[in-house]
Amino acid sequence: EAQVTQNPRYLITVTGKKLTVTCSQNMNHEYMSWYRQDPGLGLRQIYYSMNVEVTDKGDVPEGYKVSRKEKRNFPLILESPSPNQTSLYFCASSFRGVSSSPLHFGNGTRLTVT
Amino acid sequence: SQQGEEDPQALSIQEGENATMNCSYKTSINNLQWYRQNSGRGLVHLILIRSNEREKHSGRLRVTLDTSKKSSSLLITASRAADTASYFCATDGLTGGGNKLTFGTGTQLKVEL
Repeated sequence: EAQVTQNPRYLITVTGKKLTVTCSQNMNHEYMSWYRQDPGLGLRQIYYSMNVEVTDKGDVPEGYKVSRKEKRNFPLILESPSPNQTSLYFCASSFRGVSSSPLHFGNGTRLTVT
Repeated sequence: SQQGEEDPQALSIQEGENATMNCSYKTSINNLQWYRQNSGRGLVHLILIRSNEREKHSGRLRVTLDTSKKSSSLLITASRAADTASYFCATDGLTGGGNKLTFGTGTQLKVEL
């Protein structure tokens, strides 16, 4: 089944404790992206990747890191999480950018930072 | 920055009625897409309409695009309880280079039996 898989689904952590949210897609998509969703703010893009070893900042990249060593994986790293990063996070992928193909979303990771 | 703004923010209708949601955006676009999100789950793509298209259909969904007014509408006909969800428009701006979809804040649709 074609899908985007995120783990974990729920995560509670404390301020400053490094964490990684994994994302994997099995559709051979070139483009991958991370979004965060907050009430009243909609979805905001954190980082995106057009292909392996190619990543770039979205609208809200501060406090996050990503890497794209393999085509299928695009982990989101929070080196020192803070309470304002409490949010619902989505990984998404598309065949080749968003101009011609839709995004496929994972089921989300609900992160709470205390 | 938010590109799309959906209207209304919330909509409650009876099963069988039609639901119309509107989206306005600010800058020129390559395409506009509509997504559905069931409570707390991942978004699901519904329709992509390109800037040179005016109308598109998919099953019970009809999307229109008016680039002169920078607006789009999503019509769901003969709604069902299973259509209860949040609906988002998202735009691929001309300056985005195909790198970014910018989402609005969504319309919460409730379809009651």
